[in-house]
Amino acid sequence: AQSVAQPEDQVNVAEGNPLTVKCTYSVSGNPYLFWYVQYPNRGLQFLLKYITGDNLVKGSYGFEAEFNKSQTSFHLKKPSALVSDSALYFCAVRDMNRDDKIIFGKGTRLHILP
Amino acid sequence: EAQVTQNPRYLITVTGKKLTVTCSQNMNHEYMSWYRQDPGLGLRQIYYSMNVEVTDKGDVPEGYKVSRKEKRNFPLILESPSPNQTSLYFCASSRISGQETQYFGPGTRLLVL
Repeated sequence: AQSVAQPEDQVNVAEGNPLTVKCTYSVSGNPYLFWYVQYPNRGLQFLLKYITGDNLVKGSYGFEAEFNKSQTSFHLKKPSALVSDSALYFCAVRDMNRDDKIIFGKGTRLHILP
Repeated sequence: EAQVTQNPRYLITVTGKKLTVTCSQNMNHEYMSWYRQDPGLGLRQIYYSMNVEVTDKGDVPEGYKVSRKEKRNFPLILESPSPNQTSLYFCASSRISGQETQYFGPGTRLLVL
């Protein structure tokens, strides 16, 4: 069965430091992987996705993510955090072999400390 | 402007009183979906639809109904709401392919007393 794990409920990072938000997944086939961000009182917004090709994916607001097939991970990264990056981040997976259901992780709250 | 709209944005109701949350998209997307968001549980898919007149259960369909009579609309129906359905609900849409990004509505916060 498909599943997504975000092992950290909360991540605290000082402004200007690099940040990583972790995501691991499990699917029966090859995955489509997504990161979304939710700001307070807003819906989810797309950040980036991995479909195929280069394992390093670049997205909005300076974020990037690295697909690692052997570790079944898709960690979100940013070289230098901004206070405005503080938000709730969700990893999601769709199984290429059954692209109807979408599974989201439980979310990781990112706090960037000034 | 491409968007997904939901109404109402906030709703307080009582146990057993039927309600409908509407969802509409203007992007001609085939795929539409409803999620509920609860603290510590993240987003869980309630129902989804691959196209008009095609709907299927997600992970938490109990107590909910949906319909897809038109491509742009995907209402969520709670025929007899209960307090455990108090939650934040999101509608989303995308093109049919699994690699497509989902676009989310602004959310509907529901309180069932």
